[in-house]
Amino acid sequence: DIQMTQSPSSVSAAVGDSVTITCRASQGRTSWVAWYQQKPGKAPKLLIYAASNLESGVPSRFSGSGAGTDFTLTISSLQPEDFATYYCQQAKSFPLTFGQGTRLEIK
Amino acid sequence: KLLESGGGLVQPGGSLRLACAVSGFTFSSYAMTWVRQAPGKGLEWVSGINDSGGYTYYADSVKGRFTISRDNSKNTVYLQMNSLRAEDTAIYFCARVSSRNFERGWFDSWGQGTLVTVSS
Repeated sequence: DIQMTQSPSSVSAAVGDSVTITCRASQGRTSWVAWYQQKPGKAPKLLIYAASNLESGVPSRFSGSGAGTDFTLTISSLQPEDFATYYCQQAKSFPLTFGQGTRLEIK
Repeated sequence: KLLESGGGLVQPGGSLRLACAVSGFTFSSYAMTWVRQAPGKGLEWVSGINDSGGYTYYADSVKGRFTISRDNSKNTVYLQMNSLRAEDTAIYFCARVSSRNFERGWFDSWGQGTLVTVSS
């Protein structure tokens, strides 16, 4: 199975800051990685697919990069609505797996 | 829109069938999947099914106990859960896969989830 290891597990930042979350795959080389945002009591929302493609309707301050085993999600100029938990997911092989999540908190 | 139903309280060893009714897109053109989230925990992929229902996929943690199926005439995907355990307690989300058979295996539309509690 491909394990997805996210870091950090939590991060504090202020409105207007930029934040980067990383995800490392345990094996394989792929660009088939997605990123999701989840707010408390809500379903996850797709932000980025295939490592760097912005889902329709997602603000351009969200960006993804990486290939192979190392991937990043960057949120520039944080807005109040961005404080949430973020997950990466690999779609290269079954079983599909998620990272453990990164909680983004307001400083 | 995706709307899950069928969750509830069940005793260990019992069974439940979840349903996810879909509207607003051509259901038969997309693979579908179930993802769960235990209380206070992260996301765990559970099972998936391709557009026609001919291929199904499972996490090791549920293989042999859960069965995914779909009825394209009813725009509904199901998750039959047998031999339930306390560790199956979670919110179960259904989601649309961005392709017919997981060629692009990310999830672009989600339901709000249904809570399954396994407890005596």
